[in-house]
Amino acid sequence: DVKVTQSSRYLVKRTGEKVFLECVQDMDHENMFWYRQDPGLGLRLIYFSYDVKMKEKGDIPEGYSVSREKKERFSLILESASTNQTSMYLCASSFRAHEQYFGPGTRLTVT
Amino acid sequence: GEDVEQSLFLSVREGDSSVINCTYTDSSSTYLYWYKQEPGAGLQLLTYIFSNMDMKQDQRLTVLLNKKDKHLSLRIADTQTGDSAIYFCAESLHRVGGGADGLTFGKGTHLIIQP
Repeated sequence: DVKVTQSSRYLVKRTGEKVFLECVQDMDHENMFWYRQDPGLGLRLIYFSYDVKMKEKGDIPEGYSVSREKKERFSLILESASTNQTSMYLCASSFRAHEQYFGPGTRLTVT
Repeated sequence: GEDVEQSLFLSVREGDSSVINCTYTDSSSTYLYWYKQEPGAGLQLLTYIFSNMDMKQDQRLTVLLNKKDKHLSLRIADTQTGDSAIYFCAESLHRVGGGADGLTFGKGTHLIIQP
């Protein structure tokens, strides 16, 4: 079975802090994705990567950056966390361009 | 632009069939998906359909695609309490140059099962 893990289930950070969210997949997938999920807005794509060191902006990249130094790991970085970044963050990976497999999510609260 | 619409709530009695509907706007969608999210969990891929198909059946799940009307539906036969979840419709596009495709999701339909 495909396994996608995220470093934390719950995280509380202060405004202005630098935040790292880590995602690891164990199926040698080329493609990895970061989404945020908010009530009434569904899931929105932040960034994705189709290869090591490659990244592309999704629909809402502002305020975020990403890092993909190894194939199995895709990190989402909030350089200076703000309260409007309080959300559920979901990581996904896929081998082909579809059939994305999701991690359990990280619920981030910025106070 | 891309937009995926679905109702926010659906309530059905246990044992009945549930039909969750979705409309999308981009006619160049190549794959359409249904994901299930149980409370406190990530999204689980339930099924998908390629855009040149009309129907796909997998055990209790039936997916119908009307490409002319850009309408997708998920039918769950004999709905059980374990089917209570949020169901997301999603589409992907074939991007020029290939590579990864992010999905465009609807806002999700909360399926509520009445005893």
